[in-house]
Amino acid sequence: DIQMTQSPSSLSASVGDRVTITCRASQSISKYLNWFQQKPGKPPKLLIYTTSNLQSGVPSRFSGRGSGTDFTLTISSLQPEDFATYFCQQSYNSPLTFGHGTKVEIK
Amino acid sequence: QVQLVQSGAEVKKPGASVKVSCKASGYTFTSYDINWVRQATGQGLEWMGYMNPNSGNTGFAQKFQGRVTMTRDTSTNTAYLELSSLRSEDTAVYYCVRDYTRLDFWGQGTLVTVSS
Repeated sequence: DIQMTQSPSSLSASVGDRVTITCRASQSISKYLNWFQQKPGKPPKLLIYTTSNLQSGVPSRFSGRGSGTDFTLTISSLQPEDFATYFCQQSYNSPLTFGHGTKVEIK
Repeated sequence: QVQLVQSGAEVKKPGASVKVSCKASGYTFTSYDINWVRQATGQGLEWMGYMNPNSGNTGFAQKFQGRVTMTRDTSTNTAYLELSSLRSEDTAVYYCVRDYTRLDFWGQGTLVTVSS
């Protein structure tokens, strides 16, 4: 199985900060990397698919890049509604696997 | 709009089986795979497998082989997950999720509690 490693596991930031979360795959997954946001008691919400494509309705302050094994999710200017947990996930092969999550908290 | 509406919470004893439903609307049910993903409280996300609603073909994570069944009823646009031989470690929220590549729409989740 492909292991997905996210860093950091948590971070504290202020409204307006630029935030970057990293995800590393244990082998090359080409561009098949998705990012999700999850708030307590809710299902995950797709933010970005295949590395850099913004899901419909997602604000443009979210962006993704990378290829192969190393990927990043950037929030250009953190908003109050962005405090949540973020997961990366590979869809390169089965079984689909997720990172353990990065919790973004208010500083 | 795309919606996936799941059945309600379940409490089961160890060794029992559970069947969770997922009713799709707002799109052509047979055009997208349905995946099942679970999440134990405070834990990460675990993909269990997928089903092609058009063909009925399935694929499962090895961990669940032999214990999981995924079926569908195309007349009601409903997908089903059945998990057997339940143990306490199966206590989790179970989500149905559209599309194998993007996981773009998620059901609201069904809490399955396994307790004696």
